Amino acid sequence: GESVGLHLPTLSVQEGDNSIINCAYSNSASDYFIWYKQESGKGPQFIIDIRSNMDKRQGQRVTVLLNKTVKHLSLQIAATQPGDSAVYFCAENLKTGNQFYFGTGTSLTVIP
Amino acid sequence: NAGVMQNPRHLVRRRGQEARLRCSPMKGHSHVYWYRQLPEEGLKFMVYLQKENIIDESGMPKERFSAEFPKEGPSILRIQQVVRGDSAAYFCASSYAGRGNTEAFFGQGTRLTVV
Repeated sequence: GESVGLHLPTLSVQEGDNSIINCAYSNSASDYFIWYKQESGKGPQFIIDIRSNMDKRQGQRVTVLLNKTVKHLSLQIAATQPGDSAVYFCAENLKTGNQFYFGTGTSLTVIP
Repeated sequence: NAGVMQNPRHLVRRRGQEARLRCSPMKGHSHVYWYRQLPEEGLKFMVYLQKENIIDESGMPKERFSAEFPKEGPSILRIQQVVRGDSAAYFCASSYAGRGNTEAFFGQGTRLTVV
């Protein structure tokens, strides 16, 4: 969904545990989704993407799940490391255009 | 292949001055997006441009803000008569495909401070 002016939700996990970050998107016409990671003072960095004809995609230590029925996206990070501490955003892209709309974001803190 | 380049990284302007933010997309990319981010908040879409055309400016304030992406040179986000509320990080992203839905790559942002 489009970002709103809210403070970021936060998630704290122990190093080595798995993390799950959730995102609800707003437009049923969206057919392409990306997860971005943003470290403090830096621009968002691509993590993984998924198209609407898929419901799961795996990368290195990350998995994205897409549930189109409830318009929900999740990012799973396996064996979370301190370097994973960042803000994570989901972005949706409508088939009819190329603008990306971002969710509010979730701040992940990994506790050593 | 250099990534998306934004300059300056930091910009300080007094109230009433103009701010010009530049974005050079990745090589071969013809789609540029500008986003604004306030501290502790998400990225808010401002404008989407292709070479020489504004495709979607639904997120741009109606006054004082303008954007361009000329045939030659970087994309420019221009803010006239800046006010304190314009202080934010402004990010530019670029992508390659038209309707192919490909990822957008971000620059490091320009942090604008209005004093």
